[in-house]
Amino acid sequence: QLQLQESGPGLVKPSETLSLTCSVSGASITNIHYYGTWIRQPPGRGLEWIGSVSYSGSTYYNPSLKSRVTISLDTSKNQFSLKVNSVTAADTAMYYCASAAAILPIHYWGQGTLVTVPS
Amino acid sequence: QSVLTQPPSVSAAPGQKVTISCSGSSSNIGYNSVSWYQQVPGAAPKLLIYDNHKRPSGIPDRFSASKSGTSATLAITGLQTGDEADYYCETWDRSLSVVFGGGTRLTVL
Repeated sequence: QLQLQESGPGLVKPSETLSLTCSVSGASITNIHYYGTWIRQPPGRGLEWIGSVSYSGSTYYNPSLKSRVTISLDTSKNQFSLKVNSVTAADTAMYYCASAAAILPIHYWGQGTLVTVPS
Repeated sequence: QSVLTQPPSVSAAPGQKVTISCSGSSSNIGYNSVSWYQQVPGAAPKLLIYDNHKRPSGIPDRFSASKSGTSATLAITGLQTGDEADYYCETWDRSLSVVFGGGTRLTVL
């Protein structure tokens, strides 16, 4: 049973870079060949897939966000990270990290962390 | 505008049955399997259904789902007040992206 926990600043200034980390416990992502995924949810709205990283470090991004997003894996810390460049108020959302044996379906979710970009 | 279309809301009385539809296209639902998630207000989503109709361990058989062509349906029987939540369908799209429905708010009257 995996447990995931997001961490990072809750407030990011416009035009700056949003950086979040997902710490995984309960198993090593690389050992069990799992994927790490980031999903966000603007206040009062639906879910949006940001992208995923495989246990080997391969990355997959939402085409609509690809130019601004980087997801990376730190195997030594059993963590994966998200960076979103040039943020605007439209990037304000609850950000969830998640994991599973493939990109989808997503079996394990973190509790989410709210990131606000003021307008 | 979501790639997958769901009704914004559905409602039914306790003990009754409700269905939630998810409509897509040959590029997504018609091409790949569908998953369903339940999101109780203030909580992270939880996987309810995967591979069109399979339930993860711990999900009661009151929850069932099916897929036909480019549409999928989630059914919940024996409604309970604890089932009040937002429900999302999800699949892979040939645009090389995971896509979600816009979500359906279930109200148990």
